[in-house]
This record gives sequence, C-alpha cells and structure tokens, in this order.
Amino acid sequence: AQSVAQPEDQVNVAEGNPLTVKCTYSVSGNPYLFWYVQYPNRGLQFLLKYITGDNLVKGSYGFEAEFNKSQTSFHLKKPSALVSDSALYFCAVRDDNYGQNFVFGPGTRLSVLP
Amino acid sequence: DAGVIQSPRHEVTEMGQEVTLRCKPISGHDYLFWYRQTMMRGLELLIYFNNNVPIDDSGMPEDRFSAKMPNASFSTLKIQPSEPRDSAVYFCASLRGRNTEAFFGQGTRLTVV
Repeated sequence: AQSVAQPEDQVNVAEGNPLTVKCTYSVSGNPYLFWYVQYPNRGLQFLLKYITGDNLVKGSYGFEAEFNKSQTSFHLKKPSALVSDSALYFCAVRDDNYGQNFVFGPGTRLSVLP
Repeated sequence: DAGVIQSPRHEVTEMGQEVTLRCKPISGHDYLFWYRQTMMRGLELLIYFNNNVPIDDSGMPEDRFSAKMPNASFSTLKIQPSEPRDSAVYFCASLRGRNTEAFFGQGTRLTVV
C-alpha cells in the first residue's frame, strides 16, 4: 500500500526567503503526487500535481515541486515566501496499483514571519 | 461551478443520536470521496464512490458508519449512533477521470457531546 511522510511538523521561514516543505512517499506502482494547502476552517485547496513528464512542476501562487524518483521525494518549494503563505500543507500520493485511493501525509504547518 | 458543497457546516449532537452529513459533488465528476480529519489521525479516507458505486469502504471505522450515493449529485454519510470519538471534521471531495486532482468541500465540523 502507498504511504506519505512529511518529516517536519512545522517549518518557519522569514518573509522573502525561499521555503521548502518536504515530502517522501512509498508506492508499489507509479506515483501520482499532489500538494494541497489548508487555511484555518477551510477545505483543502489544490496547489499542484505530478502525473508524468517534467520532474519540475509549477503550480498556483508561485509554488513549485520537484519529483525525484530515486529519492522518492516530492518537495514543495517557493523562491520567496509571503506571510499569506502561512497555512497547513499536505502532500498526497495515489498509487496506480490501488485505484483512486489518495493517501495524505500528516501535514506540515508553515509559518512565514514578517 | 460552486464547487463541492457540504451541509451542514457545523453539527453539534448528543451521544447516541443519528447524524447525517450531506455532499453535492461538482457536476460531471464521477468520483466522490469522504474523508475525516482529526488532530490525532490526520486525514483518513473513509470511502469512495465511482459512478455512484462504492469502490473502497475499508476506511469506514465500524458498522455505525454508512455512506450512500443515490445519484450523481448527492451523497450522505450517516453515523448511528454517534459517539464523542466521532467528533472530527468530515470532508467530501470529488474528481473527474483518473489523472486529476480532487476538489474538496469546506467540510462539516461534527461535535458529539
């Protein structure tokens, strides 16, 4: 079965600095990878996905992520953080051997300090 | 499109009562998911449907939980009888096709006292 790890519960970064939120995964088949963001008392909002093709994926709000098959990682990045990026970020994986079962990581809380 | 619509947004009920959560997926989407979010367990997939048919209900915690999808535009998640440990935020999500992302509703915050 598939699984997702987000090794950091909390990431703190100063506004204007680059940010990275880490994600590693485990699947038996081909991975489909996703990043979502959750603001307080809201649902999850889709940021970006990797299905196939270019390993560097660009998404909403200036975020991007790099798929690394050898390291089974899909880290989320942004060149310059904004205070408004402060939220809870979830990495998710779907293993094409297991239908449409999306498995989410535990989440990483990002705090961007002014 | 209005997105995935869930109702109610908040539900407070007494232990032992029946609770019904409702979801309207995005029109044209053929997959519907029910998730539960708690501090302790994070986001857990409870069940998902494809073309109104339950495909995987292995995440449903116990027989007190049931889910139905009578048509392509409506689904319910029922808990009977409810218990305090069922308190959580329940999310519904939908998607179309296979290699696409899921769209989430705003969630229903359930409190069982």
